[in-house]
Amino acid sequence: AQKVTQAQTEISVVEKEDVTLDCVYETRDTTYYLFWYKQPPSGELVFLIRRNSFDEQNEISGRYSWNFQKSTSSFNFTITASQVVDSAVYFCALSEGNNDMRFGAGTRLTVKP
Amino acid sequence: EAGVAQSPRYKIIEKRQSVAFWCNPISGHATLYWYQQILGQGPKLLIQFQNNGVVDDSQLPKDRFSAERLKGVDSTLKIQPAKLEDSAVYLCASYFSGGVGDTQYFGPGTRLTVL
Repeated sequence: AQKVTQAQTEISVVEKEDVTLDCVYETRDTTYYLFWYKQPPSGELVFLIRRNSFDEQNEISGRYSWNFQKSTSSFNFTITASQVVDSAVYFCALSEGNNDMRFGAGTRLTVKP
Repeated sequence: EAGVAQSPRYKIIEKRQSVAFWCNPISGHATLYWYQQILGQGPKLLIQFQNNGVVDDSQLPKDRFSAERLKGVDSTLKIQPAKLEDSAVYLCASYFSGGVGDTQYFGPGTRLTVL
């Protein structure tokens, strides 16, 4: 069965600090997809990134970067120079062949000015 | 491009009452999902539609929950009768269905409070 673990329940940082959100997943499939979503206080889930299991190339997009390591089943997300607007709950999710997306419990990030 | 629309945004009902939520997916998206998100948890899939057919409803509490997508476009999720533990945000998501692992796009959700 697929499973996603986000061990960090809450993280609090001061603006401009870098912060890494951890995600560990379990799956028996060789083909799968990993996602990060952001849920601001307004409640809507905002898509951030998708990665397939065959693409371990790490990616940087502005202040965001992602580190996908199959050897450790991890898909971590880093925000560089955090801003107050980054405050939200961040969800890691896993999707296998049936496209049934399984979410982690989320990490609440608070960025203080 | 318009996003996934949901209504109402908020609903407060007494236990044992019934309630319905509506979702209109992104135009052209054949696949539609309903998720339940209890406070402090990640979303949990309730039901998945492909056009107007049900693909997966294994986690839908069918004794009280029902959902339909009659014309393959918008969808309605109903709870009858509601219980206190149904208090949650109900999220609708859709994707184009171009293949496995397509990105799901979410609506703003309906926050249900059962008193």
